[in-house]
Amino acid sequence: VQLLESGGGFVQPGGSLRLSCAASGFTFSTNYMTWVRQAPGKGLEWVSAIGGGNSATYYADSLKGRFTISRDNSKNTLYLQMNSLRAEDTAVYYCAKGFITNAYYGEDYWGQGTLVTVSS
Amino acid sequence: DIQLTQSPSFLSASIGDRVTITCRASQDISSYLAWYQQKSGKGPNLLIYGASTLHSGVPSRFSGSGSGTEFTLTISSLQPEDFATYYCQQLNRYPITFGQGTRLDIK
Repeated sequence: VQLLESGGGFVQPGGSLRLSCAASGFTFSTNYMTWVRQAPGKGLEWVSAIGGGNSATYYADSLKGRFTISRDNSKNTLYLQMNSLRAEDTAVYYCAKGFITNAYYGEDYWGQGTLVTVSS
Repeated sequence: DIQLTQSPSFLSASIGDRVTITCRASQDISSYLAWYQQKSGKGPNLLIYGASTLHSGVPSRFSGSGSGTEFTLTISSLQPEDFATYYCQQLNRYPITFGQGTRLDIK
């Protein structure tokens, strides 16, 4: 399993970025996928998730309306569209694969992360 | 949202020590709790899921217990590679939440 994030970088407040996560080594189309972020020197913060089959989406309450998660199963790629970015969105953003057997039990594979810096 | 509070936030221990980290949930989450280990600059590694089930490939010195609102992660005999930051995560209800983390340093 490999998860490779890209698209991070430097952006001014109010700007937008789209993160991508290229997945390989598993059946991407049927797997639940997650974005988790970590501000510099801080803990983990769950951002958003998307289901496999019906592609139901879930968001942290504080991010609803600004961030949109999506997937392209033909490209084995997960996305996170981030709009109206704020300084507090500065973080390393991780893509992760959901671990689901008879229930959702967490994330069993993680990417290396991509850094987003929001600053004027 | 369900709040998770880990204790302690910082822990200093020696090789061979037995250590326990506690995670308390603000409401009943049954057994929908996972534990992760994170080393500097890397993504987290899943250690325990379902509160007490060891994830594949994780050494047996790691164990988890608890249900409802109180959970523990125990490392029975610390090894040099165990010095890292540990997080609990609840998967009972959206939004998913993490504890604030416990940093485990070598004494």
